[in-house]
Amino acid sequence: SQTIHQWPATLVQPVGSPLSLECTVEGTSNPNLYWYRQAAGRGLQLLFYSVGIGQISSEVPQNLSASRPQDRQFILSSKKLLLSDSGFYLCAWSVGGRGYTFGSGTRLTVV
Amino acid sequence: AQKVTQAQTEISVVEKEDVTLDCVYETRDTTYYLFWYKQPPSGELVFLIRRNSFDEQNEISGRYSWNFQKSTSSFNFTITASQVVDSAVYFCALSERGGYNKLIFGAGTRLAVHP
Repeated sequence: SQTIHQWPATLVQPVGSPLSLECTVEGTSNPNLYWYRQAAGRGLQLLFYSVGIGQISSEVPQNLSASRPQDRQFILSSKKLLLSDSGFYLCAWSVGGRGYTFGSGTRLTVV
Repeated sequence: AQKVTQAQTEISVVEKEDVTLDCVYETRDTTYYLFWYKQPPSGELVFLIRRNSFDEQNEISGRYSWNFQKSTSSFNFTITASQVVDSAVYFCALSERGGYNKLIFGAGTRLAVHP
């Protein structure tokens, strides 16, 4: 079956610390992968998407970066977190754009 | 560029009232998909419906119904006889076939159903 794993579920990090959020997909090959962020009380903003290994497109300039070292692994990183990086981060995958599967999300609080 | 507008930020209704959530989209692609998702307080996204651009048939699923009108670029969502469990944030979203299938969301509508 097709599943998506995202961890950790919650994270509290100090300002200036690094970040690494990981997302892995099972049961599909060559998916499109996406990272979204939802600030408190706001909508879902697309941060990055990837159509293949090593191919990353950024939607908005920011303090974050993404990597796709393997076909079904998508990593969101930061070298130094800012307060404004706090939010709910969701990973998703799609094949063909007809349907999307979302992870359970990571709630990040930068203090 | 693709864009989704949900003009209603918050809606408050009393249980058993009908409520319609509006969604207007913009796209230059002729092939696209429209979605509605529900986000309860726990945060996960719950898929409700997908519509492709060639299927303008309205759909009903229990108390939920969707009205897709290409002429006005709208994809509205109606909950009939609302219940407290319907309280959540609802997102409308659009993906274009020609846009790497990026799923772009509207800002969401927070629905509060009171007993």
